[in-house]
Amino acid sequence: AQKVTQAQTEISVVEKEDVTLDCVYETRDTTYYLFWYKQPPSGELVFLIRRNSFDEQNEISGRYSWNFQKSTSSFNFTITASQVVDSAVYFCALSGGNAGGTSYGKLTFGQGTILTVHP
Amino acid sequence: DAMVIQNPRYQVTQFGKPVTLSCSQTLNHNVMYWYQQKSSQAPKLLFHYYDKDFNNEADTPDNFQSRRPNTSFCFLDIRSPGLGDAAMYLCATRAAPYSNQPQHFGDGTRLSIL
Repeated sequence: AQKVTQAQTEISVVEKEDVTLDCVYETRDTTYYLFWYKQPPSGELVFLIRRNSFDEQNEISGRYSWNFQKSTSSFNFTITASQVVDSAVYFCALSGGNAGGTSYGKLTFGQGTILTVHP
Repeated sequence: DAMVIQNPRYQVTQFGKPVTLSCSQTLNHNVMYWYQQKSSQAPKLLFHYYDKDFNNEADTPDNFQSRRPNTSFCFLDIRSPGLGDAAMYLCATRAAPYSNQPQHFGDGTRLSIL
């Protein structure tokens, strides 16, 4: 079974602060994929970043960066210089990569972290 | 732009009155998913299709059915909605099931039950 845990229920920051969202996962798949999604108040889920289990190189994309550590099963996400428009619910999600069975790569989501950025 | 489109954006129905939510995609993805998301919760998978191969989650109520007449369209039917079925329903697609390709989500349909 797969499990994703986001320990932070809510985070509140002031604009321009950096903020890190934590994610810890469990899976038995030897290959898997990790994602971060953003859900603004309007409700749509917006894909932000992804990471393959076999690639531990950490990257930066604009104001977003992520830290994937397989040894601790963590996939943390950082927003640099936060803005009010970053206010949303952020979901970490896991998808298995081992073909077979009927999971069809379904996403297992964490419970979400509500980020509020104050001006 | 290629996308996932859900109609309607908001749906109100009466307790026990059947309702159908629709999803279409122009991405030509093989896999389609339906999720239910209740307030302050994570999305919960109801069903998924890989081409015409259908799978529902073990805990998906019998009240929920799905149809995929072709690659582009997928429908969620709720036969007798109860108050507990009020939620956001999200449709998603994916190019291939076991890949690093993300799921692409529609804007969702927010269902209210009177």
